[in-house]
This record gives sequence, C-alpha cells and structure tokens, in this order.
Amino acid sequence: EDKVVQSPLSLVVHEGDTVTLNCSYEVTNFRSLLWYKQEKKAPTFLFMLTSSGIEKKSGRLSSILDKKELFSILNITATQTGDSAIYLCAVLGGAGSYQLTFGKGTKLSVIP
Amino acid sequence: KAGVTQTPRYLIKTRGQQVTLSCSPISGHRSVSWYQQTPGQGLQFLFEYFSETQRNKGNFPGRFSGRQFSNSRSEMNVSTLELGDSALYLCASSGSFGVTEAFFGQGTRLTVV
Repeated sequence: EDKVVQSPLSLVVHEGDTVTLNCSYEVTNFRSLLWYKQEKKAPTFLFMLTSSGIEKKSGRLSSILDKKELFSILNITATQTGDSAIYLCAVLGGAGSYQLTFGKGTKLSVIP
Repeated sequence: KAGVTQTPRYLIKTRGQQVTLSCSPISGHRSVSWYQQTPGQGLQFLFEYFSETQRNKGNFPGRFSGRQFSNSRSEMNVSTLELGDSALYLCASSGSFGVTEAFFGQGTRLTVV
C-alpha cells in the first residue's frame, strides 16, 4: 500500500523566518510527487517533481526530490502571513490510472 | 481558461438519504478523480474516471459510486447516507497524456444530520 508521511504536522513561525517541510514516501511504481497549498477548500497546485535532484522554484517557494532516499522537501523563505495554510504532499504511483496518495499535511501558521 | 467546477458547494442531508455531486473538469482534461477529506483521515482517494470508464477505485463501500459522461463531466453518488459521510468532497482534473498535474475544484461540503 502506498504511503506518504509529512512532518512536522504543524509549525508556528514568525514572519520572515525560513521553513522546511518534509515529505517521505513509499509507493509502487513512482511517477511523480506533487505539493499543494490548501487555505480554505481547494488545494492549489504548487510543484510537480519527477526527477531527482532538480529544484523547482516559484518566488519564495522551492522544492526538491530525492528518489534514492524517497523524500522531498518544500522550502519557504521570508515567510509572510499569507503563507499560513496546510501544505499537502502527494505521490502519483501505480500505472494506468491517476490516483494520488496524500500525506496528512503540515499546518503552517505565520504570525506577524 | 475555466478551472474545475464543483456543484453544489454545500449540502445538508439526513441519514439514509442519497446525494449526487457534480464535477466539470478543465476543458480538454479527460481524467476526473474524486477524494474525500475529513479532519481525521485527510484526503482519501475514492475513484478515477477516464473517457467514461472507471480506472481505479479506493477502499470505500459500494454506497459510493460515480460515473463520467462523454463531455468528461463526472458525478458521484452516495446512497444511504451515514453521519460519517460528512466531509469535504473534492474532485481533481488532470490531462490525458503523460505525467501531469491535477487541479482541484472548490469542493462540496456535505453535512449529514
């Protein structure tokens, strides 16, 4: 059974801090790993990673995948209160269908 | 380009009733997958449809079913509702070829009383 574990489950930081969110996985026939940000309802797509060691960046957010050690990290630099959300890690595995296995998420709270 | 549209946004139903939720994917996307999100279990996969065929199903009872139409719109149905079915139901739309991202709708918040 595919499994995704995120840590920490919750985190409180001050504005301007840098945070690192962790995601480890066990999946049959790994195809990709995806990060989402969920503020109210719809998870919004952040990154998709398929190759090991290649960093994806978007503004203050970046992510990297290690396929040998089966984990990924999401970094957020110079955090802002608008970064407060639940960050979800998901893996796409298997073959022949689109099924994401999600971790429980990391709840990030950024205080002024 | 319109995003993923789910209707209705909120529903309140009584135990024993049935409910139908709808999802319209991004134009051109043929894969629609459904997820149930609860505080205790997180996001759990229900099923996935591609070109009107169910390709995969998660570990949910037979009361949960779905279908997809020729225009890729999808519906999911829950019969004989139980209190534990109260959750946020999310659908995701993804492209047809290769390894692609999935984009989520706003969800339907179902409350069973």
